Amino acid sequence: ETGVTQSPTHLIKTRGQQVTLRCSSQSGHNTVSWYQQALGQGPQFIFQYYREEENGRGNFPPRFSGLQFPNYSSELNVNALELNDSALYLCASSRPTGTGNTIYFGEGSWLTVV
Amino acid sequence: QQQVKQSPQSLIVQKGGISIINCAYENTAFDYFPWYQQFPGKGPALLIAIRPDVSEKKEGRFTISFNKSAKQFSLHIMDSQPGDSATYFCAASGKGSGSARQLTFGSGTQLTVLP
Repeated sequence: ETGVTQSPTHLIKTRGQQVTLRCSSQSGHNTVSWYQQALGQGPQFIFQYYREEENGRGNFPPRFSGLQFPNYSSELNVNALELNDSALYLCASSRPTGTGNTIYFGEGSWLTVV
Repeated sequence: QQQVKQSPQSLIVQKGGISIINCAYENTAFDYFPWYQQFPGKGPALLIAIRPDVSEKKEGRFTISFNKSAKQFSLHIMDSQPGDSATYFCAASGKGSGSARQLTFGSGTQLTVLP
């Protein structure tokens, strides 16, 4: 049990639609990151939020966007869904940046785009 | 330069045996190397992690060996049990764009421990 909770656990969307995924971070963790894990692959870094600001982004297009709220919870929004957006989306929380800080993952949200 | 290469892709071990998974990296800016265990339908769970100023770290049956000069690190699972059957990911952390610390993952190793 990592204390990182995500919702919904599973959802199916149609190509071109928009989706919002939600995450509550572990208590005391003010840094939230989102990762995309395609089937059979390792997670890929999407972006990170710290103090409600995006402070790092991986190689993902602008239609992937996010928010962090004052209580450190976060949302991942994906617009104009494509078939290859089908994946497990993982939220991870940690304390402020620093060497060796443990990063805890939630169970993920399974997104299927049809 | 950000890639972490992991091998083997799959591994079958008898109960009580030693499981060994290897990873290699290129980016010398990486300064934290965790291993994650993932069961089907679950998120990755941290197993053990090491910093480059240490050559080995042991926690219970799990040991990380780290070779800074070769830019390689490995996970050893001693006395492997059927309950260890899962996918294992190595990862490396360093500062990416902005001030974010991001994990770069290997491609995963599917471990099966036979009873």
